Amino acid sequence: RKEVEQDPGPFNVPEGATVAFNCTYSNSASQSFFWYRQDCRKEPKLLMSVYSSGNEDGRFTAQLNRASQYISLLIRDSKLSDSATYLCVVNMWNDMRFGAGTRLTVKP
Amino acid sequence: NAGVTQTPKFQVLKTGQSMTLQCAQDMNHNSMYWYRQDPGMGLRLIYYSASEGTTDKGEVPNGYNVSRLNKREFSLRLESAAPSQTSVYFCASSPGRDSNQPQHFGDGTRLSIL
Repeated sequence: RKEVEQDPGPFNVPEGATVAFNCTYSNSASQSFFWYRQDCRKEPKLLMSVYSSGNEDGRFTAQLNRASQYISLLIRDSKLSDSATYLCVVNMWNDMRFGAGTRLTVKP
Repeated sequence: NAGVTQTPKFQVLKTGQSMTLQCAQDMNHNSMYWYRQDPGMGLRLIYYSASEGTTDKGEVPNGYNVSRLNKREFSLRLESAAPSQTSVYFCASSPGRDSNQPQHFGDGTRLSIL
């Protein structure tokens, strides 16, 4: 079993749609969690950290479920510029493990 | 503020050639990392340096060596390149290994081994 698993997609959604990605992780001792965004042929960039109580940043909401060992990312009112690959990252003592990413395409 | 800078951005090598990938950060971070990214796979850690003067193996270290030249610079060397090392290589840095802070990435080196 992979340490961090994501649905690879692709997710193809119209502008304005709401889309959600899930990610599961295998190590219950994992300490911190992040969502990164990676555009085609670019470096990963931090989108948001994921806190135990859940957190929101504009149109983006992240949730953590430690009991079930998964994290989620919800994007509301999708924009064309949201098209990218979203990487789930799980960290234990700064040993970061990356999911393979979920590809999102937002269409006009 | 450049963040993390990698050179070169592109490189083509022949099997058996050697080369060094350079990475520098200007954020005064203690920890630095080298990853490779292959299609359909997540980033995999090759080597890391938790602090100046220390280096450790990551998940896929075979065929690579690293040098933490000073706090700013962390280089990755391929002594005898193989086609299996064709990949995109990313350098990253973070404040410290035990800080649980996110890592910041350079814009990558695309390496092809023929």
